[in-house]
Amino acid sequence: DARVTQTPRHKVTEMGQEVTMRCQPILGHNTVFWYRQTMMQGLELLAYFRNRAPLDDSGMPKDRFSAEMPDATLATLKIQPSEPRDSAVYFCASGLTGTSGGVYNEQFFGPGTRLTVL
Amino acid sequence: AQSVAQPEDQVNVAEGNPLTVKCTYSVSGNPYLFWYVQYPNRGLQFLLKYITGDNLVKGSYGFEAEFNKSQTSFHLKKPSALVSDSALYFCAVRDSNSGYALNFGKGTSLLVTP
Repeated sequence: DARVTQTPRHKVTEMGQEVTMRCQPILGHNTVFWYRQTMMQGLELLAYFRNRAPLDDSGMPKDRFSAEMPDATLATLKIQPSEPRDSAVYFCASGLTGTSGGVYNEQFFGPGTRLTVL
Repeated sequence: AQSVAQPEDQVNVAEGNPLTVKCTYSVSGNPYLFWYVQYPNRGLQFLLKYITGDNLVKGSYGFEAEFNKSQTSFHLKKPSALVSDSALYFCAVRDSNSGYALNFGKGTSLLVTP
């Protein structure tokens, strides 16, 4: 049963510390998305990659957030330095998108990383 | 630009009754529409999608949704609700003229009472 995995599942840290979240997309999926979910803002798209290339990171605070895909099996989201307002659940999702845009399959979500910044 | 609206924050229904969770969308091109469900402390799970073809789409767990182009709606329905259907439901849209990301609604909390 193919699944998106995320680590860690929970993270508590102090303000100013670096946080790294990892995601393993489903094997064969070529598109990876990072979302943040809060009660106030709902589900927000932070960034996404297609074939490991960043396509859109407009939803991400550039001064402190960074997202990378070192290889096809790993996506990372880093926050440095972290702030209390970053407390949220961070979801990774993966999917398969076609070269022409005409083929589009649903996104599969991981279980999320619950981040608390004190 | 693409957007989706879920006008109800919460929907309450008695077990055994039909349920409807509403969604309307706005896109410049052709819409690709999705419904997801989120149970507490879990990630989002895909329920169903409309890409093209038949306006009535059937999905997981007995859910279905009807695409209505003239009303720009994609309401989620189920003929007979179960207590276990209680969860947070998200509608999402992708515009054929935009990138690959989905635009999610705010979510609707469904409460099914025994």
